[in-house]
Order: sequence, then structure tokens, then C-alpha cells
Amino acid sequence: GQQLNQSPQSMFIQEGEDVSMNCTSSSIFNTWLWYKQDPGEGPVLLIALYKAGELTSNGRLTAQFGITRKDSFLNISASIPSDVGIYFCAGQPSGTYKYIFGTGTRLKVLA
Amino acid sequence: DTAVSQTPKYLVTQMGNDKSIKCEQNLGHDTMYWYKQDSKKFLKIMFSYNNKELIINETVPNRFSPKSPDKAHLNLHINSLELGDSAVYFCASTQTKSLSLYEQYFGPGTRLTVT
Repeated sequence: GQQLNQSPQSMFIQEGEDVSMNCTSSSIFNTWLWYKQDPGEGPVLLIALYKAGELTSNGRLTAQFGITRKDSFLNISASIPSDVGIYFCAGQPSGTYKYIFGTGTRLKVLA
Repeated sequence: DTAVSQTPKYLVTQMGNDKSIKCEQNLGHDTMYWYKQDSKKFLKIMFSYNNKELIINETVPNRFSPKSPDKAHLNLHINSLELGDSAVYFCASTQTKSLSLYEQYFGPGTRLTVT
């Protein structure tokens, strides 16, 4: 089935550093979502994007809907230990009523 | 109040048994989903219901049968469980408008272990 390319797959960063991750697709998407999943929990919605070029922030998190509608980016500024987890992008392909998910970015923060 | 809830949280059962997972959302959404998350954490959509009508069935074995008694509830029944069914199953819900989907919220998951 269709899958989003999400990168990086995993990353170790120092506390206080900024983090960037992205998702790309070969098809156009109507909506992009970004989630964080902690162990043993369900994914928690961080940011939703609805328009090409849209830039939205949620605290230290900022996400952008790519202008081509085929990609999205998530930035985390000044990372802290509780940022550890798996981050997923999800996109709604145009003409469908579903979201498909990226393969996840595993974030590990070194204190 | 929990927006999307699932029961049970954990389910351990033997091969060949039949089991059910229940999901409820109190967000007033019109669309609900079942996802399967495997050991590598890939999230894959299984089914979707919109206003009690099945709209997505992603080549899931027919041992899996979803049912939506109303907009707020979506259940998943699994017959003749196999080892490969072991995974975490998530329920989710969203609101649709024309051809767009809005925020999608997940339940806490049901960890199914088949022995």
C-alpha cells in the first residue's frame, strides 16, 4: 500500500538542540497531521495543516505544509528529555477518506 | 473525559479463539477507523466507517469483521485468531467535510497477544 517517506528514521540529539524531520510523497495531499507516540500509548495529535504553504506552531513545535502539497516538515526547538518518542506524519491523499502514515522518526535526547 | 476509548487495553488469547475489541468516541465525529500497528511501529489502516457505513476495507482477511452500531461506536471482531494477528490495534475518529478530513484522534490501543 501507499506509504510516506519519513526521514530521518531515528536521531540522537543533545538537550537544547533543534530538530527537523520531514515527510515526502509522490502524490498530492489535502491535509497533513503530525503525531507523537510514547511507549504503550496511542499517537497524540500535535499539529494539523490544511493549506499548501501553511505554517503552524504549537509551543516549541512548528510544522509546514509544503507548497507542492507533496511534503511536510516538523521542527522542534530547544529539545528537552520529554521530547523522546516516535513522531509520525500522516497525510490525506487527495480523493480519499483516509490518512496514510509515515514510517516514524524515533527521537532520542541525550541529557 | 476520554475522547476516544477502547476496551480492553490488553488481550491475551490462544490461536483459534474469537475475540472482540470495542471503541467509543465522544467527539461527535462522523468517521471512525481501525488501525494495526506492528512490532516495527508501522501504522496501517484496516477499516473505516462513515456514519455507520463501511467506506474503507484495506485488503484485510475476512476473519476480521468490523461493526458500527452507531456513529459513536466501532467494534472489531476477529475469528480464528492466528499468531500473526498479534499487534496493537488502534481506533481513531475524525470529522469529514466535503472531500477533506480534519483532525484525527486515536484511542489508547489494544495490545493483542496470540499464543
